[in-house]
Order: sequence, then structure tokens, then C-alpha cells
Amino acid sequence: KNQVEQSPQSLIILEGKNCTLQCNYTVSPFSNLRWYKQDTGRGPVSLTIMTFSENTKSNGRYTATLDADTKQSSLHITASQLSDSASYICVVGYQKVTFGTGTKLQVIP
Amino acid sequence: EAGVAQSPRYKIIEKRQSVAFWCNPISGHATLYWYQQILGQGPKLLIQFQNNGVVDDSQLPKDRFSAERLKGVDSTLKIQPAKLEDSAVYLCASSLASNYEQYFGPGTRLTVT
Repeated sequence: KNQVEQSPQSLIILEGKNCTLQCNYTVSPFSNLRWYKQDTGRGPVSLTIMTFSENTKSNGRYTATLDADTKQSSLHITASQLSDSASYICVVGYQKVTFGTGTKLQVIP
Repeated sequence: EAGVAQSPRYKIIEKRQSVAFWCNPISGHATLYWYQQILGQGPKLLIQFQNNGVVDDSQLPKDRFSAERLKGVDSTLKIQPAKLEDSAVYLCASSLASNYEQYFGPGTRLTVT
């Protein structure tokens, strides 16, 4: 069964600190992996998208890594800001995508 | 470029009533998706359209949910009759084609009392 597991479920960090979110998947076949940011009450917004041949992709303070051999991805947030408070969802798929349950990040001053 | 539009943004109904949601995708996007997102969970695909044809509706509770995409543009999702467990955010997304990046609308938050 295709699954996408994310950890931790929730995380609280101080403003300015870095953090790393994890995503493990069993989806096959695999085409690409995406990280989305979902603010409360809003739809998800794409942060990064990586194919199986890419192992890192950056978008400003967000850097995603991918290890297709171990089927693991991480999203690293540098110098966190209060506006980073949101849920971060890992999505893996080919023609049909599988969503993770997300990591809820809270950045506090 | 205008994003995916959804309405209404919020809806409160009693159980056994019916409700309909509307979605207008990004112009030119052939693929349209409806998702159900229960609080604390990731989105669950209900139905996927390619133009005005259904590609995947395997997780759509067909005894109470229905969806259509007339002329391959706008789409409506209907629930009749609603149950308490239907309380969720209903997200619409569109993409140029399947397996392309999906762009999400703001969602409709449904509360069934």
C-alpha cells in the first residue's frame, strides 16, 4: 500500500532557529516528491518539487532533500520566521499522488 | 494569473441536508481535483477530472457524493444527504495535466451539525 509518513506530527521552535521536517514514503512507482505549505484556513501552496534524479532543491529559506534509495525526504527551514507557522505536507506520486498527514510547525517569538 | 476560485468559503448545515460547492480552475488547466481534508489530516482525493471526464473516483462515497465538470471548466461537488462525519474542508485543485503541479483553491469549510 502506498504510504507517506511525516515526522514529527507537530513542532514548536523559536523565531530565528532552524528546523528539519522528515518524510518517508513507500509509494511506487515514484515520479516526483513535492513539499507544500498550508497556512491555517488556506489551500496548500507548493514549495518545492523534485524528480527521482534530484537530491536537493531550494526555495529561499526552504531546502528539500531527497534520497530515492532509502525513500526519504527532508525539508529544512533556515532562520525561521513567524510566518513559517503552518502545516507542511509531503506529497509523493506518479499519476496518482499520495499525501502525507503533515507536520504542524509553530514558530514563537 | 488568477488562481483557483471556490465558493462558498464556509457552510454550516444540519445533518441530512444537502450542500453544493463550486470550483473554477485556473484557465487552461485540463485536470481538476476535489479533496476532502479532515482536521489534522492530509487531503484525501475524492475525484479527479480530465477535461469533463472522470479519471478517478474510487474514494468518492457515491451513495451521497456527486460531482460534475460541465464543459471541462467549472465543477460542482454535491453532498446529499450530509452526515456529521462530512465535516471537513473541501479543497479544489487544478493542473495543466495529471502529474503536473497542482494549484489549490482556498477551500470550503463545511460544518455539519
